[in-house]
Amino acid sequence: GIQVEQSPPDLILQEGANSTLRCNFSDSVNNLQWFHQNPWGQLINLFYIPSGTKQNGRLSATTVATERYSLLYISSSQTTDSGVYFCAVRSGNTPLVFGKGTRLSVIA
Amino acid sequence: ETGVTQSPTHLIKTRGQQVTLRCSSQSGHNTVSWYQQALGQGPQFIFQYYREEENGRGNFPPRFSGLQFPNYSSELNVNALELDDSALYLCASTPPSGSFLDTQYFGPGTRLTVL
Repeated sequence: GIQVEQSPPDLILQEGANSTLRCNFSDSVNNLQWFHQNPWGQLINLFYIPSGTKQNGRLSATTVATERYSLLYISSSQTTDSGVYFCAVRSGNTPLVFGKGTRLSVIA
Repeated sequence: ETGVTQSPTHLIKTRGQQVTLRCSSQSGHNTVSWYQQALGQGPQFIFQYYREEENGRGNFPPRFSGLQFPNYSSELNVNALELDDSALYLCASTPPSGSFLDTQYFGPGTRLTVL
């Protein structure tokens, strides 16, 4: 099945800093989602982005489907951005496959 | 519009027992999926229900079973609990136009501990 690799596994930032999270996948996809999991376990949808670029406030994402990667950009990070960021993909008519996540800690 | 809800939030069971977890889909969503998330890992797909029928299953044994009701709420049942079943169990619902292909919206999860 499709493989999903996220990097870096852990990231510590000072409040106000910018960051880029990466998601590589091993096959063509028809669905790619980025999620933020807060400390209480809730998975929050950030982007549905199988291709192209989207922006939502301080967050933006770009997926280059032909090169099999996606990037999540966080600008002017805040302590509330802390948590685990997951990339999840689907190839064909298969279930959503998650990466292992990037754990982000933003320090005041 | 209410989001996806799950109950209970926490549960402690012992090995060999059976457990039922519940999920209410987001209003208007007719597809529900269940995931298991072990500590430090990403969620893993267990199975999906559409119109009360299972229409996809991940690599989980038959002691993991489910139901979907006419109001699109759902249950996950796990029999003969094992220590490795300790995890966060997440339910996700998908809008009516989708099958596997659309955006999924997740509930807050049920944290199961097996002793």
